[in-house]
Amino acid sequence: GAVVSQHPSWVICKSGTSVKIECRSLDFQATTMFWYRQFPKQSLMLMATSNEGSKATYEQGVEKDKFLINHASLTLSTLTVTSAHPEDSSFYICSANKRGTQETQYFGPGTRLLVL
Amino acid sequence: QKEVEQNSGPLSVPEGAIASLNCTYSDRGSQSFFWYRQYSGKSPELIMFIYSNGDKEDGRFTAQLNKASQYVSLLIRDSQPSDSATYLCAVRGGNAGKSTFGDGTTLTVKP
Repeated sequence: GAVVSQHPSWVICKSGTSVKIECRSLDFQATTMFWYRQFPKQSLMLMATSNEGSKATYEQGVEKDKFLINHASLTLSTLTVTSAHPEDSSFYICSANKRGTQETQYFGPGTRLLVL
Repeated sequence: QKEVEQNSGPLSVPEGAIASLNCTYSDRGSQSFFWYRQYSGKSPELIMFIYSNGDKEDGRFTAQLNKASQYVSLLIRDSQPSDSATYLCAVRGGNAGKSTFGDGTTLTVKP
């Protein structure tokens, strides 16, 4: 297997503030990292695909200026939710592809964001 | 039509039975197939991957792939209440990059 961590696991913030979430691959170098959002009892929704040293590719309907992604190294990607509002409250999950003959995608434990 | 389709369920089986989870996909060029388990309130966890036609077994889990029928399934033998979760099917066009996920099938194993 492979381990992907996220920090923080929980965050509560006031409306209008920005929140940064870190995603790290602990025991492998990730070829690609992904950011998902999941609302209660709903499906995973891919927000963006991130590669080290290049701009993230955002899915249709995801505001790139609101959800800033920085992929600083082969083991670290960050998602910043800027000017968060209550509707941004959700479960944010990152994942990372581990290099191999076939790449395998491993998920982090997720970050629960509550915007008051 | 969605790219990856799964029955949403819920699928309910008694403890000890075989649970059969199915997934169909639309892209005939898909090469990599994954099954993830997601417990309520948690993130997805990789259970199995399969790349070649046929069956692949890992403990109580068997993945079956039929590329001609564009169909992949997951069998869980001797189902346990701890298997109760949502099972996500993921499909990828190549050996790298982004996977497309189904909406998941919710499985309940009743004691």
